[in-house]
Amino acid sequence: SAVISQKPSRDICQRGTSLTIQCQVDSQVTMMFWYRQQPGQSLTLIATANQGSEATYESGFVIDKFPISRPNLTFSTLTVSNMSPEDSSIYLCSVGAGTDHGYTFGSGTRLTVV
Amino acid sequence: GDSVTQMEGPVTLSEEAFLTINCTYTATGYPSLFWYVQYPGEGLQLLLKATKADDKGSNKGFEATYRKETTSFHLEKGSVQVSDSAVYFCALGPSNTGKLIFGQGTTLQVKP
Repeated sequence: SAVISQKPSRDICQRGTSLTIQCQVDSQVTMMFWYRQQPGQSLTLIATANQGSEATYESGFVIDKFPISRPNLTFSTLTVSNMSPEDSSIYLCSVGAGTDHGYTFGSGTRLTVV
Repeated sequence: GDSVTQMEGPVTLSEEAFLTINCTYTATGYPSLFWYVQYPGEGLQLLLKATKADDKGSNKGFEATYRKETTSFHLEKGSVQVSDSAVYFCALGPSNTGKLIFGQGTTLQVKP
């Protein structure tokens, strides 16, 4: 299965600023997903990023707040913009070859907004 | 819409006890089912999966059987260890979207 390198692993940011999270995959993948895990909660899908097209956002998430880039088949970034303390969460990227094969997750970015 | 429901935690067991974590789902079509584990301070790891009814997924002593008639995918282990302490997530992969839908997670604490 694919290996994902996600960074930064953690950060503490001031409110009103932005943070860009990177995910690098060791093989070419079609689908990449970005999730948010709020403290003590489950994972919620933010958006699906496919190379060569605009990301598809889930209900409750908008591009202005969470812009995503997918310049090639091995790399993606998620930016958390104009942060507030409510954005404090773990953000994870994930790749998969389809639901029959399972999905691989990055190690996550622990974001604290102060 | 599709959804996953897990038993509430935390579940606290003594070492070598039998573990069951219940998971039920609601879905149209024929989804794949997964169990993921999150150890403290780490990301998610795929523990096991099943892609069709009556399939049994197994890994590291954990098992789960895809039961279409009861829409369940309960996780079991015969003898837990302290190192199994983690958060366990049941997830559903609808066949036509490529996305995963997660349950709320169940925290397992195993005491020596």
